[in-house]
Amino acid sequence: ILNVEQSPQSLHVQEGDSTNFTCSFPSSNFYALHWYRWETAKSPEALFVMTLNGDEKKKGRISATLNTKEGYSYLYIKGSQPEDSATYLCAYFSGGYNKLIFGAGTRLAVHP
Amino acid sequence: DADVTQTPRNRITKTGKRIMLECSQTKGHDRMYWYRQDPGLGLRLIYYSFDVKDINKGEISDGYSVSRQAQAKFSLSLESAIPNQTALYFCATSDTGPYGYTFGSGTRLTVV
Repeated sequence: ILNVEQSPQSLHVQEGDSTNFTCSFPSSNFYALHWYRWETAKSPEALFVMTLNGDEKKKGRISATLNTKEGYSYLYIKGSQPEDSATYLCAYFSGGYNKLIFGAGTRLAVHP
Repeated sequence: DADVTQTPRNRITKTGKRIMLECSQTKGHDRMYWYRQDPGLGLRLIYYSFDVKDINKGEISDGYSVSRQAQAKFSLSLESAIPNQTALYFCATSDTGPYGYTFGSGTRLTVV
């Protein structure tokens, strides 16, 4: 069974802090890595999709990097704000499995 | 209107009752999925369908059944609900390939 691991499980930071978390996935048969932002009482929303080793994506204060050879992706948030509080999910698409495999998420709480 | 609509949004039902959760989409996607989310466990796949004539079990299909009535509609049934099926249920859709998913708003089901 393919496994996607996210760490840490949860994170508490102060407003203005920069933070990052990790998604680890199998490096074989890689097609794509997706990041989602999931606020409480809402549905997950797509942040980034990355397909190439070395890809870097950025949206405002949030950015992500991808290393397909070693099987990890980092999500960075610069200058965290309370509205960044959410669960961040990563999902890996492998050719063999042919659908997304989700990690359990990192729950971020940003305190004013 | 939302791209992926789930009904009902909230439901409380009694043990042993049959219940159906419905999902419809206007994205024109062939692929549809049902997930459940429990605290600390992330998203777990119940059933998925790659087209109208294709239905597949996910990792936790026991106690559930599905029906793909049309490209746009995918229903999840609990034949005889039990309390440990209390969870948040999400429907999602995607294009064929390593593309991201569009999620519905979720159905919060409580079995008492």
